[in-house]
Amino acid sequence: GAVVSQHPSWVICKSGTSVKIECRSLDFQATTMFWYRQFPKQSLMLMATSNEGSKATYEQGVEKDKFLINHASLTLSTLTVTSAHPEDSSFYICSAPRTSGGYNEQFFGPGTRLTVL
Amino acid sequence: DAKTTQPNSMESNEEEPVHLPCNHSTISGTDYIHWYRQLPSQGPEYVIHGLTSNVNNRMASLAIAEDRKSSTLILHRATLRDAAVYYCTLNQAGTALIFGKGTTLSVSS
Repeated sequence: GAVVSQHPSWVICKSGTSVKIECRSLDFQATTMFWYRQFPKQSLMLMATSNEGSKATYEQGVEKDKFLINHASLTLSTLTVTSAHPEDSSFYICSAPRTSGGYNEQFFGPGTRLTVL
Repeated sequence: DAKTTQPNSMESNEEEPVHLPCNHSTISGTDYIHWYRQLPSQGPEYVIHGLTSNVNNRMASLAIAEDRKSSTLILHRATLRDAAVYYCTLNQAGTALIFGKGTTLSVSS
């Protein structure tokens, strides 16, 4: 089956630093990828839609200048958390859709655990 | 966005069938019904999807109401590895999945 990877799987950083998270579709191309954030014991919350070759679209309440998204190729989207603070500590998950047999299935990455000290 | 309603939690014993309900009364004609499950500190895992007809795969069965306003995920014989948060979600092709709170399934031996 299709695979989506994320790197790193976990990261610890100091407050005020920036952290980049990569999301790759390993065996298919994805013109669109989605970024989610999940706090402990809560559901996944959609943050933004990453579009290859164009600007990302952000959900209401998500700061575009804080969460920079770059979808530079058909297999890679990156999320950069700029000037991270402890409240940004969360589990970040990406997904990529692939069409097969007329059905658009979403494949999720394993997630990246960000801890900001 | 179409929304779903699921019970917060359910319990089952190993080897017994589990029926996980989901209400989606505002579903539109082109919305697919998806079920995903998530283990702690992992990304969601696809379970099954359907549009109008009931579906079976190696993991589970999906029973969709005739009016499509509800569906039920059926695990035929629960195992300890099936303990997870199960999400019922709707979307149209190419759009993001919007997750509700899901159902936490506990399985006892």
